[in-house]
Amino acid sequence: NAGVTQTPKFQVLKTGQSMTLQCAQDMNHNSMYWYRQDPGMGLRLIYYSASEGTTDKGEVPNGYNVSRLNKREFSLRLESAAPSQTSVYFCASSEAQGPGANVLTFGAGSRLTVL
Amino acid sequence: QKEVEQNSGPLSVPEGAIASLNCTYSDRGSQSFFWYRQYSGKSPELIMFIYSNGDKEDGRFTAQLNKASQYVSLLIRDSQPSDSATYLCAVNHNAGNMLTFGGGTRLMVKP
Repeated sequence: NAGVTQTPKFQVLKTGQSMTLQCAQDMNHNSMYWYRQDPGMGLRLIYYSASEGTTDKGEVPNGYNVSRLNKREFSLRLESAAPSQTSVYFCASSEAQGPGANVLTFGAGSRLTVL
Repeated sequence: QKEVEQNSGPLSVPEGAIASLNCTYSDRGSQSFFWYRQYSGKSPELIMFIYSNGDKEDGRFTAQLNKASQYVSLLIRDSQPSDSATYLCAVNHNAGNMLTFGGGTRLMVKP
């Protein structure tokens, strides 16, 4: 049981380049999330998808786009990377409702550096 | 203003002692509260959650919630060096599934 799988684990981009972070979960969870983590800032929500076919902005959505491809997959795209997007990105998933709604299972993280 | 506040630490305790980690939140309507542990270079993992005022115990961990004072704490009894990590407090501050995380407190347990 793989849980939440993110790719790539590491990426270096130049300013202005684009890239997509991929995330897949095999727990049949309805909700998926993208967070970024910067030193001393904790985790900040970029976008989330409460269920297949829906996406919503989180706390820091500017400069990002997302696609909920199907129930398993939720991708995060940087169209024109900026140095301020240097961060560690975590994908997470959870059940949609009930006590498990905020019990997040995280992927291993993707460390992105924008030069 | 950040909605969930934690002392960044590091909080240093000797092995076997009780570690007390605190978290305050600003939204009085917050419904549920979570503690995640994150080892260096790893992803966060859930320790426990609490919904009601009072204490909730799970092994060596106790979560305490005081909604009137808007704080939640995590006590770790008999601290072990393996407990050394960053502890993230998270709050569900609206009716949806969104969690707001604090900045985390780094705990160091010295042998």
